[in-house]
Amino acid sequence: EPEVTQTPSHQVTQMGQEVILRCVPISNHLYFYWYRQILGQKVEFLVSFYNNEISEKSEIFDDQFSVERPDGSNFTLKIRSTKLEDSAMYFCASSEAWGIGQPQHFGDGTRLSIL
Amino acid sequence: QKEVEQDPGPLSVPEGAIVSLNCTYSNSAFQYFMWYRQYSRKGPELLMYTYSSGNKEDGRFTAQVDKSSKYISLFIRDSQPSDSATYLCAMLEQDYKLSFGAGTTVTVRA
Repeated sequence: EPEVTQTPSHQVTQMGQEVILRCVPISNHLYFYWYRQILGQKVEFLVSFYNNEISEKSEIFDDQFSVERPDGSNFTLKIRSTKLEDSAMYFCASSEAWGIGQPQHFGDGTRLSIL
Repeated sequence: QKEVEQDPGPLSVPEGAIVSLNCTYSNSAFQYFMWYRQYSRKGPELLMYTYSSGNKEDGRFTAQVDKSSKYISLFIRDSQPSDSATYLCAMLEQDYKLSFGAGTTVTVRA
């Protein structure tokens, strides 16, 4: 069964450094998402992306964050200057479309640890 | 008031028991309802989704939605040790943003 793949599985970065998390969505999917889960807390929506632009973003997704689809297969989340509170699991998801009958499928996540 | 509240658990049941998981929500704009299963160190895996009130069955799993009471449930029949995981309810308006419950951890004892 097709799946969303994320790399790396674990990223350790010094505070203030830039980090890029990578995702390969399911190949025929058109909508892409990033979520995060701080340890012990709920999964939270960050951003959705369609047709090479952001469709919606949460208040968490501030100017330090950006997303890009640099080619036909990859979808990336960049954090420009990481903070300690950015430590979390980051999940990428994709769907064929949004709305009825088109659920979001998740990757296994990247654990981001900021030192 | 939190938008999506999920029974916190944890739940521990013997193999073969029925597992009952519940979420309530306050946002009447939610239209689509999903249940995800999350194993340790893995991403959420979609189990069930529905957009109407009533029951939806898939094998040993039944999802129930009551929009008038703003209440959804997931039932797992004949539970197996492999069902041991964290179960997340999630909801969607007419947009892209899934709103998740906090999750209920279930252990099925052999």
